[in-house]
Amino acid sequence: DQQVKQNSPSLSVQEGRISILNCDYTNSMFDYFLWYKKYPAEGPTFLISISSIKDKNEDGRFTVFLNKSAKHLSLHIVPSQPGDSAVYFCAATMNDYKLSFGAGTTVTVRA
Amino acid sequence: DTAVSQTPKYLVTQMGNDKSIKCEQNLGHDTMYWYKQDSKKFLKIMFSYNNKELIINETVPNRFSPKSPDKAHLNLHINSLELGDSAVYFCASSQSTRTPYEQYFGPGTRLTVT
Repeated sequence: DQQVKQNSPSLSVQEGRISILNCDYTNSMFDYFLWYKKYPAEGPTFLISISSIKDKNEDGRFTVFLNKSAKHLSLHIVPSQPGDSAVYFCAATMNDYKLSFGAGTTVTVRA
Repeated sequence: DTAVSQTPKYLVTQMGNDKSIKCEQNLGHDTMYWYKQDSKKFLKIMFSYNNKELIINETVPNRFSPKSPDKAHLNLHINSLELGDSAVYFCASSQSTRTPYEQYFGPGTRLTVT
């Protein structure tokens, strides 16, 4: 039973525009959320995270928004760059070692 | 210098064989993990060791046996391989005293069972 869902398998965006990736979760016990980025033939790399006590966390071009009442989070990438083309995984945890991942969204940034 | 490394990168084998995948991390982390990425691309936790002690053991067939000889190494041994074991297996590590959920992943091992 998937507790973390990324309903958009792919996203295409023009260079310089905003990329918005969405993620929904079902387990209200999750209290920490993360985004990972993955290039082909590589392992996922940690991108940004947010605690459930916050509703926004920003790191350079990347911002994660959390809406606990809707059990929804999103990742904004502004401006999008060609190097951002990758698969993005949303993950959630109950503040312990176990991460539950979504299926990923493939982002393609067009020149 | 590679932070989390796995060997081999590719593994093709026949049903019924026994195989091992090795993982090493040089980050000084105390916790290591094995994940399986199936054909639907979901990453699912299989096992986790903290200071060589098993702390996560998800519902995986007992043909899969992890072994952690020390904090820097976590190996995965698979007996009697089946077609359904074909997947990409990722090793990861983290530091429990900081943020255990910020995990660093290896490049993956693509296992193909024929």
